[in-house]
Amino acid sequence: EDKVVQSPLSLVVHEGDTVTLNCSYEVTNFRSLLWYKQEKKAPTFLFMLTSSGIEKKSGRLSSILDKKELFSILNITATQTGDSAVYLCAVDPSGTYKYIFGTGTRLKVLA
Amino acid sequence: GAVVSQHPSWVICKSGTSVKIECRSLDFQATTMFWYRQFPKQSLMLMATSNEGSKATYEQGVEKDKFLINHASLTLSTLTVTSAHPEDSSFYICSASEVRSSYEQYFGPGTRLTVT
Repeated sequence: EDKVVQSPLSLVVHEGDTVTLNCSYEVTNFRSLLWYKQEKKAPTFLFMLTSSGIEKKSGRLSSILDKKELFSILNITATQTGDSAVYLCAVDPSGTYKYIFGTGTRLKVLA
Repeated sequence: GAVVSQHPSWVICKSGTSVKIECRSLDFQATTMFWYRQFPKQSLMLMATSNEGSKATYEQGVEKDKFLINHASLTLSTLTVTSAHPEDSSFYICSASEVRSSYEQYFGPGTRLTVT
């Protein structure tokens, strides 16, 4: 059965800290892995990863994929209170864009 | 950027009634729309995939006669929850993919359904 597991489930840090969120997966035919940020409502797209070892970066956020070990990490440096959200990892297991989502990591950044 | 809207954002209905939720892509054409359900503190669960002009594809365990999906145009898909029961109470989110970049799904703001 295809599955996506995220860890930790929740995390509380202080502003300025660096956090690393993990996403591991087991799927039959990996095509891509996506990271989303979900605040109160709809998830917003962060990154799409398809190749191992190539870091994607956007401001203080970065992500990398390891297709051999079947995981991805999302790093957030110099965290701010606005980073507080649920971060979702999703994997396309078959090339049909029917993503399987992990349960998410709930991040809370304290001022 | 690509914007997806949903209507209504919140609905309360009585058990046994039907509720229709609309999902619209406002500034792009979406060949494919996806419907998800999210229970509190849980992740998004894909219910069905909707392609314009054809029947929706339902995920295992999702009753197609209960969750009716119509994708009549490249900008509109609807989900109708028929004969709703309290266990159908959930957050329903749609997403849409552009024709040119299918991998990226743009999510609507969601509809919170409460069945009493």
